[in-house]
Amino acid sequence: DAGVTQSPTHLIKTRGQQVTLRCSPKSGHDTVSWYQQALGQGPQFIFQYYEEEERQRGNFPDRFSGHQFPNYSSELNVNALLLGDSALYLCASSLQGAPLGELFFGEGSRLTVL
Amino acid sequence: AQTVTQSQPEMSVQEAETVTLSCTYDTSESDYYLFWYKQPPSRQMILVIRQEAYKQQNATENRFSVNFQKAAKSFSLKISDSQLGDAAMYFCAYRKYNNNDMRFGAGTRLTVKP
Repeated sequence: DAGVTQSPTHLIKTRGQQVTLRCSPKSGHDTVSWYQQALGQGPQFIFQYYEEEERQRGNFPDRFSGHQFPNYSSELNVNALLLGDSALYLCASSLQGAPLGELFFGEGSRLTVL
Repeated sequence: AQTVTQSQPEMSVQEAETVTLSCTYDTSESDYYLFWYKQPPSRQMILVIRQEAYKQQNATENRFSVNFQKAAKSFSLKISDSQLGDAAMYFCAYRKYNNNDMRFGAGTRLTVKP
Protein backbone atom coordinates (compact mmCIF):
# COMPACT_ATOMS: atom_id res chain seq x y z
CA ASP A 1 0.00 0.00 0.00
CA ALA A 2 1.80 3.09 -1.27
CA GLY A 3 1.75 6.03 1.05
CA VAL A 4 1.85 9.69 0.08
CA THR A 5 4.64 10.37 -2.39
CA GLN A 6 6.10 13.76 -3.26
CA SER A 7 8.55 14.99 -5.86
CA PRO A 8 11.09 16.39 -6.07
CA THR A 9 12.63 15.85 -2.64
CA HIS A 10 14.95 18.84 -2.92
CA LEU A 11 15.19 21.76 -5.28
CA ILE A 12 16.91 25.12 -5.52
CA LYS A 13 15.45 28.13 -7.29
CA THR A 14 16.28 31.81 -7.57
CA ARG A 15 14.07 34.75 -6.68
CA GLY A 16 11.41 35.47 -9.25
CA GLN A 17 11.34 31.96 -10.66
CA GLN A 18 8.39 29.60 -10.60
CA VAL A 19 8.23 26.12 -9.08
CA THR A 20 5.90 23.13 -9.35
CA LEU A 21 5.74 20.45 -6.68
CA ARG A 22 3.91 17.17 -7.12
CA CYS A 23 2.03 14.83 -4.83
CA SER A 24 0.38 11.43 -5.17
CA PRO A 25 -2.03 10.63 -2.35
CA LYS A 26 -2.21 7.44 -0.38
CA SER A 27 -4.10 4.69 -2.17
CA GLY A 28 -7.85 5.11 -1.62
CA HIS A 29 -7.64 8.78 -0.65
CA ASP A 30 -9.38 11.50 -2.67
CA THR A 31 -8.37 14.70 -0.89
CA VAL A 32 -5.02 16.46 -0.91
CA SER A 33 -3.86 19.26 1.37
CA TRP A 34 -0.66 21.27 1.10
CA TYR A 35 1.31 22.70 4.00
CA GLN A 36 4.33 24.96 4.25
CA GLN A 37 6.78 24.25 7.06
CA ALA A 38 9.40 26.92 7.61
CA LEU A 39 12.57 25.94 9.47
CA GLY A 40 11.91 25.50 13.17
CA GLN A 41 8.15 25.95 12.86
CA GLY A 42 5.06 23.84 12.58
CA PRO A 43 3.33 23.30 9.24
CA GLN A 44 0.93 25.96 7.98
CA PHE A 45 -2.10 25.15 5.85
CA ILE A 46 -1.93 26.42 2.28
CA PHE A 47 -5.01 24.86 0.66
CA GLN A 48 -6.95 21.68 0.07
CA TYR A 49 -8.19 20.06 -3.11
CA TYR A 50 -11.13 17.71 -3.49
CA GLU A 51 -12.93 16.73 -6.69
CA GLU A 52 -10.40 18.79 -8.65
CA GLU A 53 -11.42 22.02 -6.93
CA GLU A 54 -9.80 24.15 -4.25
CA ARG A 55 -12.09 23.72 -1.26
CA GLN A 56 -10.39 25.77 1.39
CA ARG A 57 -7.43 28.11 1.55
CA GLY A 58 -5.18 29.33 4.30
CA ASN A 59 -3.57 32.73 4.57
CA PHE A 60 -1.34 32.51 1.50
CA PRO A 61 -1.13 34.92 -1.45
CA ASP A 62 -2.36 34.16 -4.95
CA ARG A 63 1.21 33.34 -5.97
CA PHE A 64 0.42 29.95 -4.48
CA SER A 65 -1.87 27.94 -6.69
CA GLY A 66 -2.68 24.32 -7.20
CA HIS A 67 -4.36 21.70 -9.22
CA GLN A 68 -5.84 18.27 -8.68
CA PHE A 69 -6.06 15.70 -11.42
CA PRO A 70 -8.73 13.05 -12.03
CA ASN A 71 -6.46 10.40 -10.46
CA TYR A 72 -6.43 12.55 -7.26
CA SER A 73 -2.78 13.54 -7.60
CA SER A 74 -2.01 17.20 -7.09
CA GLU A 75 0.43 19.96 -7.92
CA LEU A 76 1.44 23.03 -5.97
CA ASN A 77 2.68 25.98 -8.01
CA VAL A 78 4.45 28.99 -6.59
CA ASN A 79 5.12 31.98 -8.84
CA ALA A 80 7.49 34.91 -8.40
CA LEU A 81 9.47 33.14 -5.71
CA LEU A 82 10.65 35.11 -2.69
CA LEU A 83 13.42 34.26 -0.28
CA GLY A 84 10.74 33.70 2.37
CA ASP A 85 9.23 30.88 0.33
CA SER A 86 12.16 28.69 1.32
CA ALA A 87 10.59 25.87 3.33
CA LEU A 88 9.60 22.25 3.44
CA TYR A 89 6.37 21.75 1.52
CA LEU A 90 4.30 18.89 2.83
CA CYS A 91 1.49 17.14 1.05
CA ALA A 92 -1.15 15.34 3.10
CA SER A 93 -3.93 13.11 1.88
CA SER A 94 -7.20 11.99 3.40
CA LEU A 95 -10.55 10.51 2.49
CA GLN A 96 -13.36 13.05 2.35
CA GLY A 97 -15.88 12.38 5.06
CA ALA A 98 -13.66 10.02 6.99
CA PRO A 99 -14.72 10.29 10.62
CA LEU A 100 -11.40 10.55 12.38
CA GLY A 101 -9.94 13.59 10.66
CA GLU A 102 -6.50 12.11 10.27
CA LEU A 103 -4.08 13.32 7.60
CA PHE A 104 -1.37 11.14 6.08
CA PHE A 105 1.76 13.06 5.14
CA GLY A 106 4.47 12.64 2.56
CA GLU A 107 8.14 13.29 3.24
CA GLY A 108 7.98 16.72 1.72
CA SER A 109 9.79 18.77 -0.88
CA ARG A 110 12.56 21.00 0.45
CA LEU A 111 12.60 24.26 -1.53
CA THR A 112 15.51 26.66 -1.24
CA VAL A 113 15.18 30.09 -2.84
CA LEU A 114 18.44 31.97 -3.41
CA ALA B 1 -8.78 31.97 15.24
CA GLN B 2 -7.64 28.67 16.61
CA THR B 3 -4.06 28.59 17.86
CA VAL B 4 -1.93 25.82 19.27
CA THR B 5 0.86 26.49 21.75
CA GLN B 6 3.68 24.17 22.69
CA SER B 7 5.65 25.85 25.45
CA GLN B 8 8.57 23.42 25.50
CA PRO B 9 10.91 23.90 22.51
CA GLU B 10 13.10 21.03 23.72
CA MET B 11 12.74 18.13 26.11
CA SER B 12 15.08 15.37 27.13
CA VAL B 13 14.37 11.96 28.66
CA GLN B 14 16.43 8.99 29.74
CA GLU B 15 15.78 5.76 27.90
CA ALA B 16 13.05 3.70 29.63
CA GLU B 17 11.81 6.73 31.57
CA THR B 18 8.58 8.69 31.12
CA VAL B 19 8.23 12.16 29.61
CA THR B 20 5.27 14.50 29.16
CA LEU B 21 4.98 17.04 26.37
CA SER B 22 2.64 19.98 26.88
CA CYS B 23 0.14 21.54 24.50
CA THR B 24 -2.56 24.13 24.92
CA TYR B 25 -4.97 25.40 22.32
CA ASP B 26 -7.44 28.19 21.90
CA THR B 27 -10.85 27.66 20.33
CA SER B 28 -14.46 28.62 20.72
CA GLU B 29 -15.64 25.43 19.04
CA SER B 30 -17.09 22.44 20.84
CA ASP B 31 -16.47 19.79 18.17
CA TYR B 32 -12.90 19.24 17.09
CA TYR B 33 -10.03 16.79 16.88
CA LEU B 34 -6.64 16.94 18.55
CA PHE B 35 -3.56 15.12 17.35
CA TRP B 36 0.05 14.47 18.20
CA TYR B 37 2.31 13.98 15.21
CA LYS B 38 5.93 12.85 15.26
CA GLN B 39 8.42 14.15 12.70
CA PRO B 40 11.75 12.27 12.68
CA PRO B 41 14.74 13.48 10.66
CA SER B 42 13.25 11.67 7.65
CA ARG B 43 10.74 14.58 7.66
CA GLN B 44 7.61 12.49 7.31
CA MET B 45 4.91 13.44 9.80
CA ILE B 46 3.60 10.32 11.51
CA LEU B 47 0.41 10.24 13.56
CA VAL B 48 1.09 9.23 17.14
CA ILE B 49 -2.32 9.59 18.72
CA ARG B 50 -5.66 11.35 18.20
CA GLN B 51 -8.46 12.54 20.47
CA GLU B 52 -12.00 13.54 19.57
CA ALA B 53 -13.18 16.40 21.74
CA TYR B 54 -16.55 14.84 22.51
CA LYS B 55 -14.87 11.83 24.12
CA GLN B 56 -14.10 12.26 27.78
CA GLN B 57 -11.86 9.21 27.95
CA ASN B 58 -8.21 9.92 27.27
CA ALA B 59 -6.78 8.20 24.19
CA THR B 60 -4.07 5.57 24.58
CA GLU B 61 -1.86 3.92 21.96
CA ASN B 62 0.58 1.44 23.48
CA ARG B 63 3.27 3.54 25.24
CA PHE B 64 1.62 6.82 24.27
CA SER B 65 -1.26 8.39 26.14
CA VAL B 66 -2.80 11.81 26.42
CA ASN B 67 -4.22 13.93 29.22
CA PHE B 68 -7.09 15.81 27.61
CA GLN B 69 -8.52 18.61 29.72
CA LYS B 70 -11.24 20.20 27.59
CA ALA B 71 -12.17 22.98 29.98
CA ALA B 72 -8.54 23.98 30.39
CA LYS B 73 -7.91 23.49 26.62
CA SER B 74 -4.92 21.34 27.40
CA PHE B 75 -3.73 18.25 25.54
CA SER B 76 -0.50 16.77 26.85
CA LEU B 77 1.28 13.68 25.53
CA LYS B 78 2.86 11.14 27.86
CA ILE B 79 5.47 8.75 26.50
CA SER B 80 6.19 5.81 28.79
CA ASP B 81 9.22 3.53 28.62
CA SER B 82 10.94 5.94 26.21
CA GLN B 83 12.94 4.37 23.42
CA LEU B 84 15.77 5.75 21.29
CA GLY B 85 13.43 5.65 18.30
CA ASP B 86 11.11 8.12 20.01
CA ALA B 87 13.61 10.92 19.42
CA ALA B 88 11.97 13.37 17.01
CA MET B 89 10.05 16.63 16.74
CA TYR B 90 6.57 16.30 18.19
CA PHE B 91 3.77 18.52 16.96
CA CYS B 92 0.45 19.07 18.61
CA ALA B 93 -2.34 19.79 16.12
CA TYR B 94 -5.96 20.94 16.17
CA ARG B 95 -8.62 20.46 13.54
CA LYS B 96 -12.14 21.78 13.79
CA TYR B 97 -14.78 19.24 12.89
CA ASN B 98 -15.61 19.47 9.16
CA ASN B 99 -12.82 21.97 8.55
CA ASN B 100 -9.83 21.22 6.36
CA ASP B 101 -7.37 23.55 8.08
CA MET B 102 -5.26 21.64 10.59
CA ARG B 103 -3.41 24.00 12.95
CA PHE B 104 -0.04 22.97 14.34
CA GLY B 105 2.03 24.11 17.27
CA ALA B 106 5.68 25.10 16.86
CA GLY B 107 6.84 21.68 18.00
CA THR B 108 8.90 20.13 20.81
CA ARG B 109 12.20 18.47 20.04
CA LEU B 110 12.52 15.31 22.12
CA THR B 111 15.94 13.84 22.80
CA VAL B 112 16.24 10.34 24.27
CA LYS B 113 19.46 9.62 26.14
CA PRO B 114 20.78 6.04 26.27
